[in-house]
Order: sequence, then structure tokens, then C-alpha cells
Amino acid sequence: AQSVAQPEDQVNVAEGNPLTVKCTYSVSGNPYLFWYVQYPNRGLQFLLKYITGDNLVKGSYGFEAEFNKSQTSFHLKKPSALVSDSALYFCAVRDTRWGSGGSNYKLTFGKGTLLTVNP
Amino acid sequence: DGGITQSPKYLFRKEGQNVTLSCEQNLNHDAMYWYRQDPGQGLRLIYYSQIVNDFQKGDIAEGYSVSREKKESFPLTVTSAQKNPTAFYLCASRIQGNTEAFFGQGTRLTVV
Repeated sequence: AQSVAQPEDQVNVAEGNPLTVKCTYSVSGNPYLFWYVQYPNRGLQFLLKYITGDNLVKGSYGFEAEFNKSQTSFHLKKPSALVSDSALYFCAVRDTRWGSGGSNYKLTFGKGTLLTVNP
Repeated sequence: DGGITQSPKYLFRKEGQNVTLSCEQNLNHDAMYWYRQDPGQGLRLIYYSQIVNDFQKGDIAEGYSVSREKKESFPLTVTSAQKNPTAFYLCASRIQGNTEAFFGQGTRLTVV
């Protein structure tokens, strides 16, 4: 079965510093990977995805993620953190358990990493 | 505005009662999902529907039921058989051919 792991429950960084939120994955076949962000008592917002192509994926709000096949990682990064980036971040992988043809699937999520950016 | 609408935002249920959470989307998305979120556990899939009148159990379907009579609507019923229903429930949808899903704002259910 596909799975993702977020090894850090919490990450604290100072405003203006670079941030990294880690994610590792385990899949059979090609990985389809995603990052989402959740603010308190809200739904998840899509940030970016890796399907194929360049290992550095750029997404919303200045975030990017680096796909590393040899390390099976998909870490989320931002060069300069903002206090408003403080939120819960989820890594997810596409799980095609149910279907053929890639059209019938679910997303399997990590447990989330709480990012706090201090002023 | 286009989007996914979940209602109500907060819901209180007495022990032994069934409650239904609403999820409506006007994005013309084909697939719809229900997830449950508990602190420290991430999101767990309850039910999934790819087309009208068809749905499949997810990882934690026991105590829940769904219907998909219209493409736009995917209501979730939390039955009295669900022993620990207090949680944050998230509905999502996706269009065929795209990979990312989009989420509603969630319903927080509390058993009182």
C-alpha cells in the first residue's frame, strides 16, 4: 500500500528564515505526491503536486517542493518564512488501490506537521 | 462562486442519534470523498464516490453511510453505530483527469 510519513510533528522557524517541512513516501510504481495546508478550523488548501518532470516543483504562496527519488522524499520548502505561513501542513500520495487506468483513486495523507513561524 | 460547500459548520449530536452532514459542489467534479480528521492522526477516508449512484467504502466506513443521487451532492450520515463520532469531517472533490482534490471548509461534529 502507498504511504507517506512526516517525521516531524512540529517545526519552528523564525520569520525571514528558510523553512523545510519533511515528507518521505513509499509507493509501488511512479509516485504522485501532493502538499496541502490547513489553517485552524478550515479545510485543506492545495499547494503543489509532483507528477513527473522537474524535481523542483513550484506552488502557491512562494512554496516549492523537491522530489528526490533516491531518498524517496518530497520536502516542502520556502526561502523566507512569514508569520502567516503558520499552519498545519499535510503531505499526500495518490493511492490507486481501487481502480485501473489511474482514474479511480484516493489520497493517502501523512499525519501532518504543525509549522510555527515566530516573529 | 464555485466551490465545495459543507454544512453545517458546527453540529452537536446526542448519543444514539443519526446526523447527516451536507456536501455540495458546483465545480462539475466527478469524484467526491469524505475524510475524518482527528488530532495527530491526519485524514482518514470514510467513503468515496466516482460517479452518481456508486460509492465505495474507505478505510473507516463502519458507522457511516452515504448516498450519491446527484453529481453535485454527497451527504454523509453518521449513525448511532459510530462509537466515537466526535471529529472534524472534510468533504473533497476532484475532476476526472486531474489528480488533486479540493476540499470544503469542514464540519465539526461533537457528541454531547
